[in-house]
Amino acid sequence: DQQVKQNSPSLSVQEGRISILNCDYTNSMFDYFLWYKKYPAEGPTFLISISSIKDKNEDGRFTVFLNKSAKHLSLHIVPSQPGDSAVYFCAASADGNKLVFGAGTILRVKS
Amino acid sequence: KAGVTQTPRYLIKTRGQQVTLSCSPISGHRSVSWYQQTPGQGLQFLFEYFSETQRNKGNFPGRFSGRQFSNSRSEMNVSTLELGDSALYLCASSRWTNQETQYFGPGTRLLVL
Repeated sequence: DQQVKQNSPSLSVQEGRISILNCDYTNSMFDYFLWYKKYPAEGPTFLISISSIKDKNEDGRFTVFLNKSAKHLSLHIVPSQPGDSAVYFCAASADGNKLVFGAGTILRVKS
Repeated sequence: KAGVTQTPRYLIKTRGQQVTLSCSPISGHRSVSWYQQTPGQGLQFLFEYFSETQRNKGNFPGRFSGRQFSNSRSEMNVSTLELGDSALYLCASSRWTNQETQYFGPGTRLLVL
C-alpha cells in the first residue's frame, strides 16, 4: 500500500516556465512533508519542507503547497532552469516516525 | 564538513551470497537510515539506527539486517541474495531523528546475477 503517490512518472517543461510536481498521500496522520531532488549517480538532496500547520513554504524559486483536506502536496519551481532536471521525490512522516517516499517524478527542463 | 560516505559504490554478487554495505554518517549525526531504491518503487525504507539501536523498521524480510557502531557508522547486511535485491541502497544521516532533514550518501549499486 503506497501511502505517498507521485502519479506522474515524468514531466517536461520549457526553460523559464513553471514546473509543478504533484504528490498525494493517504495517511491523515502525516504531519511533515519534504521534497528531495536526485541527480544520477548521487544521493537525494533535501530541497524544501513543510509542516502540517502551514499551507505554503517558499525558498527562492521553490514553493511547496500543502492542501490537507485534499491530502495533496505540490512543488512549484519558477522559473525552471535546465539544472533543475532531476528526479524529485516527495516524502512524508507522522509524529517523528520514518519517512515514506513517493516513487519519484523525472523532471526535464528543455532549453 | 564531510558528507555521508558509502562503500563500496558498486557491487556484483550472485544469488545465494551475502553482502555487507557500509555507511559513515556526517560527523555529529547519530541517526542513520537505510533505503532501497528500485525503478518505479521510489525509496523504500529499510531501517533506522540511533545510538546503536534499531529504532524503526520497514517491511523487508529478515534477510535484511543492520547494525550501528558506537561511532555512528552503520552496516547493512543482506543474506541469501535474490535477483530482486538488485537495487541502489542509500544511507542517510541526520542529527537526531529521521524526520529531520536527512543527508544522503551516493548509494551502493548492487547487482545480483
